[in-house]
Amino acid sequence: EAGVVQSPRYKIIEKKQPVAFWCNPISGHNTLYWYLQNLGQGPELLIRYENEEAVDDSQLPKDRFSAERLKGVDSTLKIQPAELGDSAVYLCASSPQGMMGEQYFGPGTRLTVT
Amino acid sequence: AQSVAQPEDQVNVAEGNPLTVKCTYSVSGNPYLFWYVQYPNRGLQFLLKYITGDNLVKGSYGFEAEFNKSQTSFHLKKPSALVSDSALYFCAVRDGNAGNMLTFGGGTRLMVKP
Repeated sequence: EAGVVQSPRYKIIEKKQPVAFWCNPISGHNTLYWYLQNLGQGPELLIRYENEEAVDDSQLPKDRFSAERLKGVDSTLKIQPAELGDSAVYLCASSPQGMMGEQYFGPGTRLTVT
Repeated sequence: AQSVAQPEDQVNVAEGNPLTVKCTYSVSGNPYLFWYVQYPNRGLQFLLKYITGDNLVKGSYGFEAEFNKSQTSFHLKKPSALVSDSALYFCAVRDGNAGNMLTFGGGTRLMVKP
């Protein structure tokens, strides 16, 4: 089966510019996650969706970050405006309904803000 | 609050020797424990999990992990290391009694030398 797809893989932007990341989860996976991973650190959850509903977004900096998951499939994470400190890898993951099992991660988008 | 500690930033081992990557956790309820591996420029890949049952869990690529409730540990092990095992390893925990948030450790880089 196809894995989690993310695009773009790399993005370089100037500070104050907007940027968007796209994720297509594994078919049939109801739960979708966006994580932020800084260099040499573990992933940190930004937001979790159960179908279309964002059920855990407490770690999302809502002043500049937004996310959506229309129709409960693909998801987009946006930053506007980007800051230098946003440079990181943004990972998308999905899992079947319920959290007993493992999460399946995409390759990530490496964002560099200059 | 739940947390994970990986006390070693890097583990070095010779090919063919056994390896251990350490992980300790803290949760208020029952722990669900996971190990993931990350190769360069790739997303995290699931290795194994402990939910309940036998304390020794076997996973992908010959890896196994031992759940020790009294020591709140979940160390990753392999009897004979391969050069191709060189990667970044992350331990993660979820509180089985409360919520669906997965908390990752900071990661341990495993270097297997020929």
